[in-house]
Amino acid sequence: SQQGEEDPQALSIQEGENATMNCSYKTSINNLQWYRQNSGRGLVHLILIRSNEREKHSGRLRVTLDTSKKSSSLLITASRAADTASYFCATDNNDMRFGAGTRLTVKP
Amino acid sequence: DTAVSQTPKYLVTQMGNDKSIKCEQNLGHDTMYWYKQDSKKFLKIMFSYNNKELIINETVPNRFSPKSPDKAHLNLHINSLELGDSAVYFCASQSRVTPLHFGNGTRLTVT
Repeated sequence: SQQGEEDPQALSIQEGENATMNCSYKTSINNLQWYRQNSGRGLVHLILIRSNEREKHSGRLRVTLDTSKKSSSLLITASRAADTASYFCATDNNDMRFGAGTRLTVKP
Repeated sequence: DTAVSQTPKYLVTQMGNDKSIKCEQNLGHDTMYWYKQDSKKFLKIMFSYNNKELIINETVPNRFSPKSPDKAHLNLHINSLELGDSAVYFCASQSRVTPLHFGNGTRLTVT
């Protein structure tokens, strides 16, 4: 069964706006990772947050983790058209399982 | 110098045929995976190998058989292809301390 489940399934915003995507999972984790997939390509790792961390930043990305709610969020600030992609979360509990992703469209 | 490479990129074949997809990683990773991504973009794990040993074998038809000749290679052989096997198949690798590195996928179309 899959672990990470992303929400919403699709998100459309204007360039410059912030985008927030959520991820829920079911069992205990060692860490949670966010990946990005451009159309026709493989997934690329964005950021990893460990189970004992609550927030992590990387450039315009901010990830939060709430282990009590088994959820994480990915915030992309000041979005750009080039951020248009699908975003996936995955939990590393001895294997790597993904959901269906959030399809983000940033309109110029 | 691609880190995870899969071949072929596209594969079009008829029902009932047998085909293979190859994957190689030059990152020195111990663990390799096969994932299937359907038309709705859901990414499902199929197999995981660690140092040539099968670790994860999800509920996948036994027409799918992974083979790992060494820890840098994980190939996927599919027998008696069916229409429902049409998808994009991704190979990925990782070590204990690194995130997953994905190949660019093989788009399989069964007609």
